[in-house]
Amino acid sequence: QQQVKQSPQSLIVQKGGISIINCAYENTAFDYFPWYQQFPGKGPALLIAIRPDVSEKKEGRFTISFNKSAKQFSLHIMDSQPGDSATYFCAASSSSGYSTLTFGKGTMLLVSP
Amino acid sequence: KAGVTQTPRYLIKTRGQQVTLSCSPISGHRSVSWYQQTPGQGLQFLFEYFSETQRNKGNFPGRFSGRQFSNSRSEMNVSTLELGDSALYLCASSLGGPSSGNTIYFGEGSWLTVV
Repeated sequence: QQQVKQSPQSLIVQKGGISIINCAYENTAFDYFPWYQQFPGKGPALLIAIRPDVSEKKEGRFTISFNKSAKQFSLHIMDSQPGDSATYFCAASSSSGYSTLTFGKGTMLLVSP
Repeated sequence: KAGVTQTPRYLIKTRGQQVTLSCSPISGHRSVSWYQQTPGQGLQFLFEYFSETQRNKGNFPGRFSGRQFSNSRSEMNVSTLELGDSALYLCASSLGGPSSGNTIYFGEGSWLTVV
């Protein structure tokens, strides 16, 4: 049972455009939603995270939008750059799960120059 | 501050053998968790240790085991290796407090190839 569904699987965006990646979750006990960025040959690195008590969080060019009633959250990358080309994973965890993350399948983003 | 360190980075094993992977968490972090990453299944949780105790376990067979030492360093072991165990094994560490949301930091992983 996939508890976090991520889409699209891959995404091509032109430099300067907006990249949007969506995730949906099923477990209402989830209360922490991080996004990770992974470059080839590297481990995932935390980009930005949100809790369900806020609907949006912005850090630089990265914004998380959160819809608790729909059980959905999304990552927006503004002014996308070729250096943003990587695989992005959404994840979720619950207080009862301590440091356990449930990941989406990932989105390969390619930003064309 | 040093990040999460995993050794070895790359290894090749034969079916039926066993393998031990090591992880040194960020200084001060007491929680260490392990994940398996494959192209087909993505990132899947294996287990988590906190203060030398397994606190959570994923849905993997008993061939996969781990432990944590008093200095928070951790090892995971896979016995009787199968071809399907070929994957990137990622270690992650966090402060591991009682509430979720502690930032979780990943190492660069150990690439295991089973032939």
